[in-house]
Amino acid sequence: ETGVTQTPRHLVMGMTNKKSLKCEQHLGHNAMYWYKQSAKKPLELMFVYNFKEQTENNSVPSRFSPECPNSSHLFLHLHTLQPEDSALYLCASSPGTSGGQETQYFGPGTRLLVL
Amino acid sequence: GEDVEQSLFLSVREGDSSVINCTYTDSSSTYLYWYKQEPGAGLQLLTYIFSNMDMKQDQRLTVLLNKKDKHLSLRIADTQTGDSAIYFCAEGTGGFKTIFGAGTRLFVKA
Repeated sequence: ETGVTQTPRHLVMGMTNKKSLKCEQHLGHNAMYWYKQSAKKPLELMFVYNFKEQTENNSVPSRFSPECPNSSHLFLHLHTLQPEDSALYLCASSPGTSGGQETQYFGPGTRLLVL
Repeated sequence: GEDVEQSLFLSVREGDSSVINCTYTDSSSTYLYWYKQEPGAGLQLLTYIFSNMDMKQDQRLTVLLNKKDKHLSLRIADTQTGDSAIYFCAEGTGGFKTIFGAGTRLFVKA
């Protein structure tokens, strides 16, 4: 279906839990992204990595901690989240080599519910 | 600032054409995109157009770009129930930054 996979697809966690979201891309890309999609709000860019280096952090709270061990994998570590963090978390990838506009390809998302 | 606006809802009958409209603000945008999101899924890239083009056709999809008015549209010919989804307009402002609209929910009535 898609060259970008995300696990788990659904996650329910308490505010004191620690969990991680995983993203893997099979497109040979070098850039990876985390977005947050909440109801009735535009897509919010959280983090961007290019060749494993973080290039963007859009003032995301420290309870979200990204990790990019290589160009194919991206993680989002979660701890002490708040109920308002409940959302669909989308991963995307792009070539990362064009030097111009990067066209992004998305995974199916992880639906997160924080209780 | 950079902004992408689109209407929230559109309802059409099966077999009719759907036209989803979008306006953007950044005149230096290089690529304009249309993504589709079905329930429980991520964003699927449908098509994109370079800013130096006026029109692009891809099977049932036609994209029109009016750069002077910063207006982008997506026309879906012979709309089917399987086209029911949320359609996102997005502008590429360079590099890793893409600005997304809030999405237009398309309802297709059988």
